[in-house]
Amino acid sequence: GENVEQHPSTLSVQEGDSAVIKCTYSDSASNYFPWYKQELGKRPQLIIDIRSNVGEKKDQRIAVTLNKTAKHFSLHITETQPEDSAVYFCAATAQYNNNDMRFGAGTRLTVKP
Amino acid sequence: KAGVTQTPRYLIKTRGQQVTLSCSPISGHRSVSWYQQTPGQGLQFLFEYFSETQRNKGNFPGRFSGRQFSNSRSEMNVSTLELGDSALYLCASRREPQETQYFGPGTRLLVL
Repeated sequence: GENVEQHPSTLSVQEGDSAVIKCTYSDSASNYFPWYKQELGKRPQLIIDIRSNVGEKKDQRIAVTLNKTAKHFSLHITETQPEDSAVYFCAATAQYNNNDMRFGAGTRLTVKP
Repeated sequence: KAGVTQTPRYLIKTRGQQVTLSCSPISGHRSVSWYQQTPGQGLQFLFEYFSETQRNKGNFPGRFSGRQFSNSRSEMNVSTLELGDSALYLCASRREPQETQYFGPGTRLLVL
């Protein structure tokens, strides 16, 4: 089955700096890669996703890049703000194979004001 | 449209007991997945149900089981509870395999 590794496990940045979280996956059939943000005591919320037919997707301060050859994808947050502080999870799944979604272990991002 | 709901939100049990958790997906969503979340372990996949059939299963012992009803609501059951079963149990629903998954608020289970 799919195995997703996520790094770093913790990340601390100064407000206004950029943050990058990286994930690798093992199943070459995986074609859908969402990112979730989980604030303390709340449910994971989808913040951005990318499908394997594109290499990059951007939504305001958040971007995701995908390298299918190397089987890794990254989340980039620019101009970080204290409200970006949360745990971020990457995930991968082969959507059309009816595969389940596997998650990385999470990255705890702290943005210091 | 109402989001994914889970009941109960909090639960305290003792070792050896069993527990049943419930998840109601977003209307029109036929897939429900269950995850166990513990500190430092991220989101561990338990199983997924689609149209009342278990489609995928994670690496959990047989004490963990689930089912899905014709209205897509799903339940998971844990028998002979152990201390290590204390966790946040999240369910997530999606309409079809190729669509985005949305999470419920979770049920926090404490086993004493």
